[in-house]
Parts: sequence; structure tokens; C-alpha cells
Amino acid sequence: DVKVTQSSRYLVKRTGEKVFLECVQDMDHENMFWYRQDPGLGLRLIYFSYDVKMKEKGDIPEGYSVSREKKERFSLILESASTNQTSMYLCASRYSGGAVNTEAFFGQGTRLTVV
Amino acid sequence: AQKITQTQPGMFVQEKEAVTLDCTYDTSDPSYGLFWYKQPSSGEMIFLIYQGSYDQQNATEGRYSLNFQKARKSANLVISASQLGDSAMYFCAMREGMDSSYKLIFGSGTRLLVRP
Repeated sequence: DVKVTQSSRYLVKRTGEKVFLECVQDMDHENMFWYRQDPGLGLRLIYFSYDVKMKEKGDIPEGYSVSREKKERFSLILESASTNQTSMYLCASRYSGGAVNTEAFFGQGTRLTVV
Repeated sequence: AQKITQTQPGMFVQEKEAVTLDCTYDTSDPSYGLFWYKQPSSGEMIFLIYQGSYDQQNATEGRYSLNFQKARKSANLVISASQLGDSAMYFCAMREGMDSSYKLIFGSGTRLLVRP
């Protein structure tokens, strides 16, 4: 079974803090994603990585950065957390390998509250 | 511009009845694919079904089927014989292009409540 693990289920941080959200997958997937989920807005793509050290901006990258130094790990960084970044963050991974119809597998999510 | 539109924020269905969840999409790429995911209250995202733009037949997976109308750019999810466990958020998502590494874009979701 594919496992995508996010380091924390719940996180409370202070405004201005640097925040790291970690995501690890155990199936050697090339593609990894970070989304944030807000009521009424669905899942919005923050960043996408199609392979190690490769990254691409999604629809809402402002205020975030990412790191993918190893294939299994994709980190989301909030450089200076703000209250409007309070949200549920979901990490996902998928196998590409020439296939276009493979589904993405998701972690359990990290509910981040910035106070 | 919104690429995936789910116009039903919430829906009710009676247990054992069928229900259709709407999804329309916008793309100029001839190669694309549509995914449906279910998110129960526990928060996990569960893949349900996939439809490719070149697939000749509508996708089916057990009680789930996809009513794919290419000309209308719609990919509605049909759940037959609803069960109480079908109560959840449902998300439609799209990939564009033939590149095997692609962004996956989601809609805003529909919350389905199955009544006993």
C-alpha cells in the first residue's frame, strides 16, 4: 500500500514564525504536490514537484516555498507565517513513469493554525 | 479562470437512491483526464474513478460511474444505490496534456449527505 505521511496532524504557530511542513512517501513516486484546503474553495495547488530538485508554482505560491532534496520527501515552508495561512494542508504523490491516468495518493493532512 | 467548476456546494439523497454530482471543466487541450475523489469526515482523500478524454466509453467502478459529455465539457459522477457511508465531500479534478508529470487541479467540492 502507498503511504504518504505528513509529519504533524495539528500545528499551532505564531505570526512571523518560519514553519516547515514535511511530507514523506514510500513508493518512489516522481510527482509530489502541496495543496491547501479551505471551505468553499476546495483544494488549491501551492507547489508541485515532478522530480528531485524540480519544482513548479501552483495557483497560490505567494508566501510559500518548497524543497525536494530527496525523492521521498517534499517540504513546504512558510517563510513568515501569517494568520491568513491558517488552513488544512494536504500533501500528495503520484507515480508518473509515462502514465497519465495514475491517481494521486494523499496524506492525512496538517491542520495549521497561525495565531 | 476557473478550470473545474462544481456548482453544488451541498446535496441530499435518500438512502438506496441514485445521485448525480456535477462537474464542468474548461480546457483547450485535446488530451486531458478527469478524476473524482471522496473525502469522508476523517479527512483522507480516496480516489474513486478516472476518465480520459480519449476513452471511448464512460468509466465505471462498482457503484460509481462517470457521465462524460465531451461536447458539454462535463464529467458528472453518478453514485447508484446510495449508502450512509457515501456521506462525504466529493471533489472533481483535472489533468491537462500528455506529459506524464502534470499538475492536478481540483474543484471546490460538493458535500453529499445521505439520509436514512
